[in-house]
Amino acid sequence: AQSVTQLDSQVPVFEEAPVELRCNYSSSVSVYLFWYVQYPNQGLQLLLKYLSGSTLVKGINGFEAEFNKSQTSFHLRKPSVHISDTAEYFCAVSSFSGNTPLVFGKGTRLSVIA
Amino acid sequence: GAGVSQSPSNKVTEKGKDVELRCDPISGHTALYWYRQSLGQGLEFLIYFQGNSAPDKSGLPSDRFSAERTGGSVSTLTIQRTQQEDSAVYLCASSDRDQPQHFGDGTRLSIL
Repeated sequence: AQSVTQLDSQVPVFEEAPVELRCNYSSSVSVYLFWYVQYPNQGLQLLLKYLSGSTLVKGINGFEAEFNKSQTSFHLRKPSVHISDTAEYFCAVSSFSGNTPLVFGKGTRLSVIA
Repeated sequence: GAGVSQSPSNKVTEKGKDVELRCDPISGHTALYWYRQSLGQGLEFLIYFQGNSAPDKSGLPSDRFSAERTGGSVSTLTIQRTQQEDSAVYLCASSDRDQPQHFGDGTRLSIL
C-alpha cells in the first residue's frame, strides 16, 4: 500500500518570496511521483512528474521538485511566487507511471500575499 | 475538445434520487479514472477502466455506486438512492500508456 503525507495544510507567503511545499510518501515498491495544482472550481493540472532519471525535476510555472529516495520525499519549490500561484497543491504517487490509480496527499493551500 | 470533459458541471438533487455523471476522456486515451473530492476525505480513488473493463473497483464506497464505459470512450458514474454524504466533487481523469493522468473540471454534486 502507498500513502502520501503533505506536512502543511496551509502555507501563506509574501509575493516574490520563495516557497517550499513538503511531501513525504510511503511505499513498499518503486513509485512515480507527481505534483498537481488545483485552481478554484477547476480540475487538477499537472505541474511536474518524476518517473526516473535526474532527481531534480522542473515543471511548469517555474516550479521544481527534488526526489529524495533515502528520505522518501518529493518537496515542491519555487524561488519567487506570484499572486497567481495561489491555489491548492496536491502531491501524488502511483506504482507505475500512468495506468494505475493515483494516491493523493491531503493537499496544501498556498496563499500568496501582496 | 482537447481535454477531459465532464457533465454536468453542477448537479443539485434531493436525497434518494439517482444521478448520472458523465465523462468524455481525451480521444485515444485507453485508461479512465473516477475520483471523489470532499472536504473531509480529500481526493479518493473510486474506479478505474482499461478500455471497457474495470480491473479495479476497490474504491467504490457502496453498492449504490456503479460505473460503465462504452466503446472505450465515454464513461458514466451512477449513484443510486443518493445520500447527503455523497455530496462532493467527482473528478474524471484519463491517460494513455505511461503518461500522467489528465483531469476534467469535475462535477459538483450537492444532495439536499
